[in-house]
Amino acid sequence: AQTVTQSQPEMSVQEAETVTLSCTYDTSESDYYLFWYKQPPSRQMILVIRQEAYKQQNATENRFSVNFQKAAKSFSLKISDSQLGDAAMYFCAYRNPPYGGSQGNLIFGKGTKLSVKP
Amino acid sequence: GAVVSQHPSWVICKSGTSVKIECRSLDFQATTMFWYRQFPKQSLMLMATSNEGSKATYEQGVEKDKFLINHASLTLSTLTVTSAHPEDSSFYICSARDRGLAGISYEQYFGPGTRLTVT
Repeated sequence: AQTVTQSQPEMSVQEAETVTLSCTYDTSESDYYLFWYKQPPSRQMILVIRQEAYKQQNATENRFSVNFQKAAKSFSLKISDSQLGDAAMYFCAYRNPPYGGSQGNLIFGKGTKLSVKP
Repeated sequence: GAVVSQHPSWVICKSGTSVKIECRSLDFQATTMFWYRQFPKQSLMLMATSNEGSKATYEQGVEKDKFLINHASLTLSTLTVTSAHPEDSSFYICSARDRGLAGISYEQYFGPGTRLTVT
């Protein structure tokens, strides 16, 4: 079974600085997807960034980028120029493609609570 | 972007009663919907996966007779908590997956969640 591990329960960053959140996963599959979700106090899950395992290039979305190391099964999230609105819980998630007997459901890590100091 | 709604956003019920939570995909068709449960300061725990027109698949440890899931159409799934007890108090989140175009995209969108309090 696939597992997702986030080893940092809490992180803190100064406004305008850069922070990296760690995530490792375990799978025997070669085709899969990885995600970072943000959950602010409203508790609405917001997709931050997505990475397809077959793509070697790291995904980027504005101030958010990932360091995807497939062999090491590592998927870290870098937030540049941190803003107060970035404060939230961040969940790393893994998903198999929804075929071949898989429902394609998301498997979440335990989350990292990010605080942003003004 | 795709929108998933949940109703109600917050419900308080008495122990022993049943409560129904609706999850709707507003602008896309969802063949698959997922129901999660989240306790305070914890991660999302998958309860069940429902496919339109068929029975839901429950995760190990989730009582199917207590958490009834119906996915009657491509835009609506319901979760009914039967004979609710205080330990069922939690935050319930649904997620709907787009049908996908030619098998390329299977985006999953989340509802805003429902806070259930059982007194």
